[in-house]
Amino acid sequence: GAGVSQSPSNKVTEKGKDVELRCDPISGHTALYWYRQRLGQGLEFLIYFQGNSAPDKSGLPSDRFSAERTGESVSTLTIQRTQQEDSAVYLCASSLSSVAEAFFGQGTRLTVV
Amino acid sequence: QKEVEQNSGPLSVPEGAIASLNCTYSDRGSQSFFWYRQYSGKSPELIMFIYSNGDKEDGRFTAQLNKASQYVSLLIRDSQPSDSATYLCAVTRNSGNTPLVFGKGTRLSVIA
Repeated sequence: GAGVSQSPSNKVTEKGKDVELRCDPISGHTALYWYRQRLGQGLEFLIYFQGNSAPDKSGLPSDRFSAERTGESVSTLTIQRTQQEDSAVYLCASSLSSVAEAFFGQGTRLTVV
Repeated sequence: QKEVEQNSGPLSVPEGAIASLNCTYSDRGSQSFFWYRQYSGKSPELIMFIYSNGDKEDGRFTAQLNKASQYVSLLIRDSQPSDSATYLCAVTRNSGNTPLVFGKGTRLSVIA
């Protein structure tokens, strides 16, 4: 695609429910990142996929968070048993390689009520 | 995960002045450096990248890199109110599968 696409744009969910966020990277981009940004805060690294290598999951805040990516295509970030502190904008970015510039999607705004 | 440090600001400059944004990083293995701009409520957008020591100019923007001192800076000449945003510094290594690491950003306010 022309850019990184994320869906949904907005998601409101009840506390305790599971949510799944989707990221469609730019075609041909081998690297894919997920970040979380709370209101007024910086980017918090969550997970990084590079080609077929094992993902870097060092930023996942708890075992309620998981992400998958099949090959160099779509990635999904799953949050189980959502909590109010999970409310944030979840940003996905992709790049041609681990050293190239990354391009961001428009983000998914998650609100847990 | 290595650290990237930025002054959170806000940095206020008058219209037409030079805005200077600074970033330091702790990982001496860092090789690629990026500056992103993020308007309120929007996603970060790439404005500059630099790989080699020295200056790199692109229009009103100049990125400066000093690997020995482990800092990278962004100069914005002839600052405009539309430059008011948060500027994020990002760093990565060239080797291995290491993710892009972001600083927390500096908020710039250009006063008309």
